[in-house]
Amino acid sequence: DAGITQSPRHKVTETGTPVTLRCHQTENHRYMYWYRQDPGHGLRLIHYSYGVKDTDKGEVSDGYSVSRSKTEDFLLTLESATSSQTSVYFCAISKGQGSPDGYTFGSGTRLTVV
Amino acid sequence: AQSVTQLGSHVSVSEGALVLLRCNYSSSVPPYLFWYVQYPNQGLQLLLKYTTGATLVKGINGFEAEFKKSETSFHLTKPSAHMSDAAEYFCAVVGGATNKLIFGTGTLLAVQP
Repeated sequence: DAGITQSPRHKVTETGTPVTLRCHQTENHRYMYWYRQDPGHGLRLIHYSYGVKDTDKGEVSDGYSVSRSKTEDFLLTLESATSSQTSVYFCAISKGQGSPDGYTFGSGTRLTVV
Repeated sequence: AQSVTQLGSHVSVSEGALVLLRCNYSSSVPPYLFWYVQYPNQGLQLLLKYTTGATLVKGINGFEAEFKKSETSFHLTKPSAHMSDAAEYFCAVVGGATNKLIFGTGTLLAVQP
């Protein structure tokens, strides 16, 4: 999607290893989000950021940490990957938290933990 | 707390038939409502949204949705399905205490020739 890129697009990792996913935006939006998508659950919010170094937990934050040292980058780290974290991860951005414009999503990272 | 319910995880229609995807929400305050579409192996694309004003909103690809406050619904329709409409559709709401986008569990639309 224009203005927001995720890397890598695909990753296979072993149980117990740390993994970092990157989200980069060129829109200068204040808010950034990490969601995971699983069949039957839709998208669930993991963490979000409302500014540089300002982050907060979402509904499924256990086992994940985030960092935002620059406006344009939001990193999601799985501290010790487990098979239950196999999922598709989406980053999103918005101008405001309750923005009537909705969120803009990246193309996703498909993570497989073996 | 906000929540979104999408009735029917799988919907199948014939090409040319009416598409109706159902979405009900709960919110303690007037919400913003959205429909997103996800094509295979892609991200989510905004289809349409309701914020304020006219309750019937039109989106891309011939889709529209009507906000019915009395029924707390925001169903998505398209008069005539096309093969290219096959995708997963997500209803979402923002508003209330959490003020973040909350998604339904999605409806996978199949279009039969």
